[in-house]
Amino acid sequence: EVKLVESGGALLQPGRSLRLSCSTSGFSFDDYTISWVRQAPGKALEWLGFIRSKAYGATTEYAASVKGRFVISRDDSKTSAYLHLNSLKSEDTAVYYCARVSGYFGSERFDYWGQGTLLTVSS
Amino acid sequence: QSVLSQPPSVSGAPGQRVSISCTGGSSTIGAGYDVHWYQQLPGSAPKLLIYGNNNRPSGVPDRFSVSKSGTSASLAISGLQAEDEADYYCQSYDSSLTARVFGGGTKVTVL
Repeated sequence: EVKLVESGGALLQPGRSLRLSCSTSGFSFDDYTISWVRQAPGKALEWLGFIRSKAYGATTEYAASVKGRFVISRDDSKTSAYLHLNSLKSEDTAVYYCARVSGYFGSERFDYWGQGTLLTVSS
Repeated sequence: QSVLSQPPSVSGAPGQRVSISCTGGSSTIGAGYDVHWYQQLPGSAPKLLIYGNNNRPSGVPDRFSVSKSGTSASLAISGLQAEDEADYYCQSYDSSLTARVFGGGTKVTVL
């Protein structure tokens, strides 16, 4: 069974940093791109970025809204991916999901999702 | 403002057919990029519902179907059931933004 489990959500003050984790099982993690998507309270889904598999150089792509402030990494030995969030703002308050990515370039889909972890940024 | 536009809500009685539109532009759906659809039940994570050209993951009933024309795509739900009450999102690729993008979501209410 494919499983993704996010952790690390917290209540933090603006300006702080945080690392979210995405622990996976049930599939060959090395072969897959992993993405992060967030959902602010009562709002739509927002794609944040993804990290490709090592076979594709573990390259990353980011949404313009978070590029330079968020960093995605992976540790294949732990079948886990990470989202590093820096200089947090109140508008980063959201549930953060990691998702497995399938499909070819320009047709990527998010075929399995974790249950999400809540980040609240407030002073 | 989402790159892909969806109606905020649609509703229908049990057994009826409802349709959700997803309107993009020349850098998204109009450029030929695939559209994928997700269902998010209340309080739950999104779930892939249909991808590409009417491909359904295991367990998704064929009451759900999609179509695409020009710069728009649509998700149809036939034989509407109470369990279909959820938020639905379309998703594609935007070559101008070089980003994967979601629609604003549509809440389906079963009357």
